[in-house]
Order: sequence, then structure tokens, then C-alpha cells
Amino acid sequence: SAVISQKPSRDICQRGTSLTIQCQVDSQVTMMFWYRQQPGQSLTLIATANQGSEATYESGFVIDKFPISRPNLTFSTLTVSNMSPEDSSIYLCSVEGTGERDGYGYTFGSGTRLTVV
Amino acid sequence: EDKVVQSPLSLVVHEGDTVTLNCSYEVTNFRSLLWYKQEKKAPTFLFMLTSSGIEKKSGRLSSILDKKELFSILNITATQTGDSAIYLCAEALYGQNFVFGPGTRLSVLP
Repeated sequence: SAVISQKPSRDICQRGTSLTIQCQVDSQVTMMFWYRQQPGQSLTLIATANQGSEATYESGFVIDKFPISRPNLTFSTLTVSNMSPEDSSIYLCSVEGTGERDGYGYTFGSGTRLTVV
Repeated sequence: EDKVVQSPLSLVVHEGDTVTLNCSYEVTNFRSLLWYKQEKKAPTFLFMLTSSGIEKKSGRLSSILDKKELFSILNITATQTGDSAIYLCAEALYGQNFVFGPGTRLSVLP
């Protein structure tokens, strides 16, 4: 299965600023997924990032707030823009499992714990 | 969008107990049912289930799917404190979309 390096691991940011989260995959993948997990909540898909095209955003998420880059098949970034305390969450990138064990499961990055003050 | 429901939402047991976690789902576009363990930030994959009645087993953990009744269970026998985590159930849909349940927070006391 793919190995994903995600950074930063955590950050504390001032409201009104932006934070860019990076994910590097050790193999080429067609799609990368970005999730948010608010405190006490489950994972919610923000967007799907394909290389060479604009990301596809889920209902409730917009490009101006969460711009995504996907410059190649192994890398993606998610920016959380103009942050407010409501953006305090864990942000996770993931790719579809490719190993026999994973099947159609997800492999997740290590996550970024964001706190906005 | 399909909805995934998990129960209980939280559970406190003592080491050595056996626990059963439940997951029910809707079936608009079902592809598979997945279980994950989330200890800190990143969920780790446990099982993927696609066929009814076939138990998947890994050590003290096992899981089974009932596609007729639209539910799955995750069993953990002889629980240990290291099993304390949030257990997430997710439905994989065709179109490469996943819907996660709210999770069951399991606390295993020594």
C-alpha cells in the first residue's frame, strides 16, 4: 500500500491567516482525497484532487476557502484560507488502497491537527 | 447521500471483555464496507467486507457483513488497553465516494 507523508503534523494559527497542508505519496496515484474531522465528529470529504484538473468539491466546501493544488501524481496541497476557530479540525489526505489487503480501502496520511485562535 | 450509523457511540469496558460494535448502512450504491481504527489522527485500515456471511479475522478482531439486513459488526475479544480508540465504519460507494459513520469510542480500562 502507498505511504503518505503529511505535514505539518499540527499547527496553531491566528484567525484570518491561511495554512497550507502538504501530502507526499511514495507512488503515483490518480486521485487524492482531502478530509476534515471536526472535534467529536467523523470524517467529512472536502474534495477529490485529480492531477491536471481542478479539484471536485463536496457540498458545503468551496475552492476559495479550501484551494487545492495537484501538480503531479505524487503530491497535493490543501490550503485553509482566512481561518476562523470553526476551522479547528484534523485534516487528512488519503489515497485509494492499491494493495491486495487494502482493496478499495483508503490509506491515510498522518493528519494535521489545526487549532485556530 | 447514503448514511452510516454506528452504535454504541461510546463504550467503556475492562480488559478481557469482549465487545461488539455495530454499523448499519444504506444501499443506494454500495461497493464495500470498511472498518478503521483511529487512535490519534490517522485512521488505520482494519477490514474490507464485500460479501455477506464471510467472516474476516485478524488476531482478536473479526468482522462480518450482512447485505440483506444492511449491517456489519466488528468483534474484539479479550480486549486490551491498546484497543482503546475510535472505530470507524465506512461505506464505499461506486463512483469512488466513501461515507463514514460517526465512530464508536471504545475505552478499555485496566
